[in-house]
Amino acid sequence: DAEITQSPRHKITETGRQVTLACHQTWNHNNMFWYRQDLGHGLRLIHYSYGVQDTNKGEVSDGYSVSRSNTEDLPLTLESAASSQTSVYFCASSESAESPLHFGNGTRLTVT
Amino acid sequence: DQQVKQNSPSLSVQEGRISILNCDYTNSMFDYFLWYKKYPAEGPTFLISISSIKDKNEDGRFTVFLNKSAKHLSLHIVPSQPGDSAVYFCAATPILLYNQGGKLIFGQGTELSVKP
Repeated sequence: DAEITQSPRHKITETGRQVTLACHQTWNHNNMFWYRQDLGHGLRLIHYSYGVQDTNKGEVSDGYSVSRSNTEDLPLTLESAASSQTSVYFCASSESAESPLHFGNGTRLTVT
Repeated sequence: DQQVKQNSPSLSVQEGRISILNCDYTNSMFDYFLWYKKYPAEGPTFLISISSIKDKNEDGRFTVFLNKSAKHLSLHIVPSQPGDSAVYFCAATPILLYNQGGKLIFGQGTELSVKP
């Protein structure tokens, strides 16, 4: 079965370190998204991509970057981790604008 | 600026009764709306959607109502079951806007607890 996989599931890092969260989907979807979930804010969009070499900023993109070198992967990089980036991160993909998002199971990141 | 708002953080309902979850939005460009359900330690899963050309969509025990003039949508679950206990997120997107479609804007979520 096609799926979307995030790794690691849990990560603890120190302030100032660079961190990369992996997202891999086997749906062959063009659209991929990164969200963060925080209490009181719900899910907020960080970055998204509509295809290879395409990346776009979401509403909370400061301090994050993504790259899309193939269809299957959209890694999320925190250039210099900050305590405010402690959160649960969800990757998602969709076939088209009209299709629902398929989410991964999330990565819980703690920045100490 | 929160474009999609769920003003009730939590809701508790007795098994067998109706659950009504509410959502308001401010952006008039939104024309496609979705509800997602999320269990702990899992990603959100799609539940039901509605296009702005409709005012109601039904799928089994779940019905979504859309009031465009009020910029309000609601999710009705009838009858509610203990397995429905989860966090429910509403989401919206300007599906017809080129290069914006599929980019969902989510509300804060409402935690539903269905008591046996």
